[in-house]
Amino acid sequence: GQNIDQPTEMTATEGAIVQINCTYQTSGFNGLFWYQQHAGEAPTFLSYNVLDGLEEKGRFSSFLSRSKGYSYLLLKELQMKDSASYLCAVKDSNYQLIWGAGTKLIIKP
Amino acid sequence: EADIYQTPRYLVIGTGKKITLECSQTMGHDKMYWYQQDPGMELHLIHYSYGVNSTEKGDLSSESTVSRIRTEHFPLTLESARPSHTSQYLCASRGGEDTGELFFGEGSRLTVL
Repeated sequence: GQNIDQPTEMTATEGAIVQINCTYQTSGFNGLFWYQQHAGEAPTFLSYNVLDGLEEKGRFSSFLSRSKGYSYLLLKELQMKDSASYLCAVKDSNYQLIWGAGTKLIIKP
Repeated sequence: EADIYQTPRYLVIGTGKKITLECSQTMGHDKMYWYQQDPGMELHLIHYSYGVNSTEKGDLSSESTVSRIRTEHFPLTLESARPSHTSQYLCASRGGEDTGELFFGEGSRLTVL
């Protein structure tokens, strides 16, 4: 079966750095997405990786290793507004998205 | 800012009622999706459409139906609501760009008593 694993919850301090990991086993791979979802709101797109390596976008970076079935989202200079759930999703061989359950990130002052 | 809208945002209804959740987008996207999401759980695809008059069922078994008569409109209908249908329903769309980024509506939170 297809599976996306990410930690259920993480806690970090304002101003610090946090890394959220995602491992996947899917039938084929056509890209990996990270979305941010604040409580009670819709998910919003953060990043897309299809090749191995690091993609940097401001305070957020996303890394992919296809051979290891592994990705991480790195958040720097954490702000209180970064408290949200972070969803990892993989596009499989049929170009359908397989979603992880999300990692709830709690930022403390 | 994404131009995709869902109504109603919140709905509480009794068992056996028929309901339609509306979804409209003004981006001219061909591909539209309905997801179901329970708190702390992954999104489950229940229906999708790749264009007018095209609809497919997703991975999650669902007693709902959809229609796609116009590009911008993708309503979801439950003929007879049950308490097991209580959930958050998210509509999304995407264009033909390389990343395949999804744009989500704000969701419809349904409670069936």
